[in-house]
Amino acid sequence: GENVEQHPSTLSVQEGDSAVIKCTYSDSASNYFPWYKQELGKRPQLIIDIRSNVGEKKDQRIAVTLNKTAKHFSLHITETQPEDSAVYFCAASKTGNQFYFGTGTSLTVIP
Amino acid sequence: DSGVTQTPKHLITATGQRVTLRCSPRSGDLSVYWYQQSLDQGLQFLIQYYNGEERAKGNILERFSAQQFPDLHSELNLSSLELGDSALYFCASSASGRFEKLFFGSGTQLSVL
Repeated sequence: GENVEQHPSTLSVQEGDSAVIKCTYSDSASNYFPWYKQELGKRPQLIIDIRSNVGEKKDQRIAVTLNKTAKHFSLHITETQPEDSAVYFCAASKTGNQFYFGTGTSLTVIP
Repeated sequence: DSGVTQTPKHLITATGQRVTLRCSPRSGDLSVYWYQQSLDQGLQFLIQYYNGEERAKGNILERFSAQQFPDLHSELNLSSLELGDSALYFCASSASGRFEKLFFGSGTQLSVL
């Protein structure tokens, strides 16, 4: 099955700085890569996703990049704010089946 | 509110027992996924159903089983429970299971004592 590795496991940044979370996947057939944000005590929610035919996608302060050759993808958050503090999960999927998640990154934004 | 309903919210039981977790997907969603979340292992994919049929199986133990009923709700059965089964179990749904966002329920917190 797919193996998704995520780094770092914890990340602290000053408010206004950028944060980068990286993931690698093992199955070259994976073609859909979503990112989920889970606030403390709440359910995971999708924040951005990318398909394998796209190299980069942006949504306001959030961007995701994908390198299919190297089988890695990254989440970039710019101008971080305290409300960005949460656990972020990357995932890899083959056409929407078998979403495999990384182990999560706990992001803390220090005011 | 995601529209995905999970019951119960909390479950406390003893080792060796059997429990059933229930999930009602969003109205119109055909695909249901089950995940186990423990502190050190993130979200572990267990199993996926689509319109009543098993579509994909992940790291689901033989002691665990699931099914999706004609009304599309799903149940996850956990038997011969062990201390290590204590975790937060999430159900998620999507419309067709293809390139779509997952909508997660609020989870069932299982404590095995």
